[in-house]
Amino acid sequence: DAGVTQSPTHLIKTRGQQVTLRCSPKSGHDTVSWYQQALGQGPQFIFQYYEEEERQRGNFPDRFSGHQFPNYSSELNVNALLLGDSALYLCASSLARGLNEKLFFGSGTQLSVL
Amino acid sequence: GEDVEQSLFLSVREGDSSVINCTYTDSSSTYLYWYKQEPGAGLQLLTYIFSNMDMKQDQRLTVLLNKKDKHLSLRIADTQTGDSAIYFCAENVLTGGGNKLTFGTGTQLKVEL
Repeated sequence: DAGVTQSPTHLIKTRGQQVTLRCSPKSGHDTVSWYQQALGQGPQFIFQYYEEEERQRGNFPDRFSGHQFPNYSSELNVNALLLGDSALYLCASSLARGLNEKLFFGSGTQLSVL
Repeated sequence: GEDVEQSLFLSVREGDSSVINCTYTDSSSTYLYWYKQEPGAGLQLLTYIFSNMDMKQDQRLTVLLNKKDKHLSLRIADTQTGDSAIYFCAENVLTGGGNKLTFGTGTQLKVEL
């Protein structure tokens, strides 16, 4: 049973460019959340997708957008990259059931913006 | 508001118990979680506790919750070198759109021989 998989594992971009990160959820999971983890910090919630719609969003600008596909996989897009966007981007999947949000995380995509 | 705080660093000797502490501010938290992150890896769910409980034990792990003081702790018994990692507590706050987790800044646990 495959867990959460993310691609690519590492990425280097320059300021102003655009980037797309990909995530496949754990088998049987229908909800995908994206988190940004800056060096030495805890993960910060970006947004969550369920039934192909953005269900809720954290405090991130519109440059951050996403998509969920019918097979529950998801993409995170970041436009007009800034140096401060350099971070580990984590995808987490879960099953939309009640109040217990047990997240299963992928290993992340390390994004470096130069 | 949402704010989760943890001490940054903890060092223990192998075989001793480790206690990692966390404070949170949102009284509407439903569940609270402990995650472990090893170098170069994502986060691994260790355990969780429902907000109306005060203790949960799971093998070497004991979670204590003081809801009045908004204080959460994770005790690891018989700490091993493989327990060296960063530990994050997180609270689940139910919002209009569903659940989302707010994480602390993490506690680096170093286990020495």
